Amino acid sequence: KNQVEQSPQSLIILEGKNCTLQCNYTVSPFSNLRWYKQDTGRGPVSLTIMTFSENTKSNGRYTATLDADTKQSSLHITASQLSDSASYICVVSSGGSYIPTFGRGTSLIVHP
Amino acid sequence: DAGVIQSPRHEVTEMGQEVTLRCKPISGHNSLFWYRQTMMRGLELLIYFNNNVPIDDSGMPEDRFSAKMPNASFSTLKIQPSEPRDSAVYFCASSLEGGPNQPQHFGDGTRLSIL
Repeated sequence: KNQVEQSPQSLIILEGKNCTLQCNYTVSPFSNLRWYKQDTGRGPVSLTIMTFSENTKSNGRYTATLDADTKQSSLHITASQLSDSASYICVVSSGGSYIPTFGRGTSLIVHP
Repeated sequence: DAGVIQSPRHEVTEMGQEVTLRCKPISGHNSLFWYRQTMMRGLELLIYFNNNVPIDDSGMPEDRFSAKMPNASFSTLKIQPSEPRDSAVYFCASSLEGGPNQPQHFGDGTRLSIL
């Protein structure tokens, strides 16, 4: 059964600090992995997409990594800002399937 | 450039009433997804349409739920009769194609409360 597990479930950090969110998956065959950011009261928005051959990808202060061998991904946020407070959802797509598998998300709170 | 538009944003109704949620996908997108999000289960896919045709409705909880897509610019999700356990945020998303490499663009959801 395809599964995506995220950790930690929630995280509180001070503004300006860095943090790393984790995603482990068992989706097979693997096609791609996306990180979405969901602000409170809004729908998820795609941050990055990573395919099998990519190890790292950056989008501003967000850097995603992928280890296809261990089936792990991480999202690193540098110099956090108050606006980074949101839920971050890891989504893995399987080759040939239109339907991705969603993680339950990590809730990040950035305090001033 | 308008994104996915959902209405209403909030719905509060009594148990047993019919509820209709509406979605307008991004123009030109031919895939549409309905999701339900709860604290306990996260995002769950309910149904997926491609070119207005339902492709996978295995996530629809039971016969009380139905979804239609009469044309490329409009879809509805109906619950009849509604129950308190249906309370959740319902999202509609669209993508350019149905393939796994296309990002899904989400609306801001309908927060449904069944009393």
